[in-house]
Amino acid sequence: AQSVTQLDSQVPVFEEAPVELRCNYSSSVSVYLFWYVQYPNQGLQLLLKYLSGSTLVESINGFEAEFNKSQTSFHLRKPSVHISDTAEYFCAVTRTDNYGQNFVFGPGTRLSVLP
Amino acid sequence: DTEVTQTPKHLVMGMTNKKSLKCEQHMGHRAMYWYKQKAKKPPELMFVYSYEKLSINESVPSRFSPECPNSSLLNLHLHALQPEDSALYLCASSQGPSATGELFFGEGSRLTVL
Repeated sequence: AQSVTQLDSQVPVFEEAPVELRCNYSSSVSVYLFWYVQYPNQGLQLLLKYLSGSTLVESINGFEAEFNKSQTSFHLRKPSVHISDTAEYFCAVTRTDNYGQNFVFGPGTRLSVLP
Repeated sequence: DTEVTQTPKHLVMGMTNKKSLKCEQHMGHRAMYWYKQKAKKPPELMFVYSYEKLSINESVPSRFSPECPNSSLLNLHLHALQPEDSALYLCASSQGPSATGELFFGEGSRLTVL
């Protein structure tokens, strides 16, 4: 079975500072990796995903994540955060075989951007 | 704007009530999901429908009964719930039962069981 660890439950950071949200996974099979964001009182939205190819993936709003197979990590970074980035961020994995429907979510990291 | 619509947004019910949560998508997706999310926790998978057939039931108590009347609609029938069932119930859809597919979530139905 897969599992996802997000070591930081809360990350406070000042506006315009850089941020890294950590994600590690364990799985006995190949997985695809995702970051989802949940703003207050909303559902989850896909931020970015790694399926194959370049290990560095980027989102349209300045976030990026790098897949590191040897360290089984998929950390999320942004060089300069905005107040509007305040949200809960979930790392998720799915198997690459037929049971890939079962997304496994990490416990989440609450990013609080301070003025 | 979300393309997965959930109703109602809020629901308060007693332990003897029968109610339903509804979810609709018009993206032509063939996989639909119910998740349960408690406060400050990640979503937990409850059910997956693939091509309108139940493909995954994560050992959910029978007081939760899913239904997929057609490829666009997903219901969750609720009966004899317990206070600990209070949570945000999220519906999601994806193009198909593929791991590469993005999950599209609705905004959720916040359920309170008294």
